[in-house]
Amino acid sequence: GAVVSQHPSRVICKSGTSVKIECRSLDFQATTMFWYRQFPKQSLMLMATSNEGSKATYEQGVEKDKFLINHASLTLSTLTVTSAHPEDSSFYICSAGDWDRGTDTQYFGPGTRLTVL
Amino acid sequence: AQSVAQPEDQVNVAEGNPLTVKCTYSVSGNPYLFWYVQYPNRGLQFLLKYITGDNLVKGSYGFEAEFNKSQTSFHLKKPSALVSDSALYFCAVRDANTDKLIFGTGTRLQVFP
Repeated sequence: GAVVSQHPSRVICKSGTSVKIECRSLDFQATTMFWYRQFPKQSLMLMATSNEGSKATYEQGVEKDKFLINHASLTLSTLTVTSAHPEDSSFYICSAGDWDRGTDTQYFGPGTRLTVL
Repeated sequence: AQSVAQPEDQVNVAEGNPLTVKCTYSVSGNPYLFWYVQYPNRGLQFLLKYITGDNLVKGSYGFEAEFNKSQTSFHLKKPSALVSDSALYFCAVRDANTDKLIFGTGTRLQVFP
């Protein structure tokens, strides 16, 4: 299989606090993981590409200091939304690239709904 | 630049009828094409892909897609729609240089009983 998990599935926090979202590939190793943001009734917007053991590559317009990404192992990447504000409320989805097993496919997590009050 | 177009925001079909969700692409080189489905408040589920080989690709849940190089299309099809197929469908192409997926805008499929 190719299962990607995300935790938490839903989080509500106060403005100014930080929130960490975990993305795990459960049955394969992923040197590359991706973080997306999705607004209601819209397509996915790529935020950054996370590479194991190196710095993430952010898309244009995404604040590196606000959205901290750590890819510390071949099965785990984390996204930390620092000093969250209501405009950061969104649906965050990660994916993991299944390159090593040759499927050349990104598998997606179930998403995390962030609500900042 | 590589791109994917899904010309229909919504497709409506009666249960039991065949369905088609359209996708056209623009890439340089050989395309890696994917279809994903998203149910409400969920991530994307992989349905099928075309990388090389047979132009007709079969995937999960009875879906299939046909790669048409001359028309630069990769339409998603199913012979007999189910109400449970109602969801948001995304076509995507993989950028060979960056491994990023470039998504279409999505098509909402509504299957009526």
